[in-house]
Amino acid sequence: ELKVEQNPLFLSMQEGKNYTIYCNYSTTSDRLYWYRQDPGKSLESLFVLLSNGAVKQEGRLMASLDTKARLSTLHITAAVHDLSATYFCAVETQGGSEKLVFGKGTKLTVNP
Amino acid sequence: NAGVTQTPKFQVLKTGQSMTLQCAQDMNHNSMYWYRQDPGMGLRLIYYSASEGTTDKGEVPNGYNVSRLNKREFSLRLESAAPSQTSVYFCASSERIAGGIAKNIQYFGAGTRLSVL
Repeated sequence: ELKVEQNPLFLSMQEGKNYTIYCNYSTTSDRLYWYRQDPGKSLESLFVLLSNGAVKQEGRLMASLDTKARLSTLHITAAVHDLSATYFCAVETQGGSEKLVFGKGTKLTVNP
Repeated sequence: NAGVTQTPKFQVLKTGQSMTLQCAQDMNHNSMYWYRQDPGMGLRLIYYSASEGTTDKGEVPNGYNVSRLNKREFSLRLESAAPSQTSVYFCASSERIAGGIAKNIQYFGAGTRLSVL
């Protein structure tokens, strides 16, 4: 059974600082997704990582995937208040089922 | 573009009542999903439909039924609501192949906030 663990679950950081959110998963998969959720809102797709070594960047966020280590990271560079949200990673189950297993989410608060 | 539309946005039920959550997508996607989101639990898959006429159980299907009415619509029914079903419910849709690349980006509706008293 695929399990997805994120850490930390809560992250409070100051504007301008860098930090990394980690996403570990328990069984083989080569497709990983990052989503953002603002309070009281729906989920919005940020990144799709489709192969080992994949790296995607958008603004101050950069995501990477290491399928051998079963690890994805979401790196935040020079955080700004607008990045405050909950970030979820989701891993696709094998066998073409199209099902995703989500981590519990990392609630990020960026303080001025 | 509307994307994925869920109704209602809010609902309060008494224990034992039934209701149906509606979901429709206008992106011509084959796959549709129902999730529930509880504090500290992330999103958990309730049911999934890979195409019109097919449904499959997810991680937490007990107490729910679904209907894939057509390609656009996927409804979730609570036959006898229980307080444990108090949650935020999200519908999502996806298409595996987009632009020749195998992806499975799921697009989410705005959610239905359900309280069962």
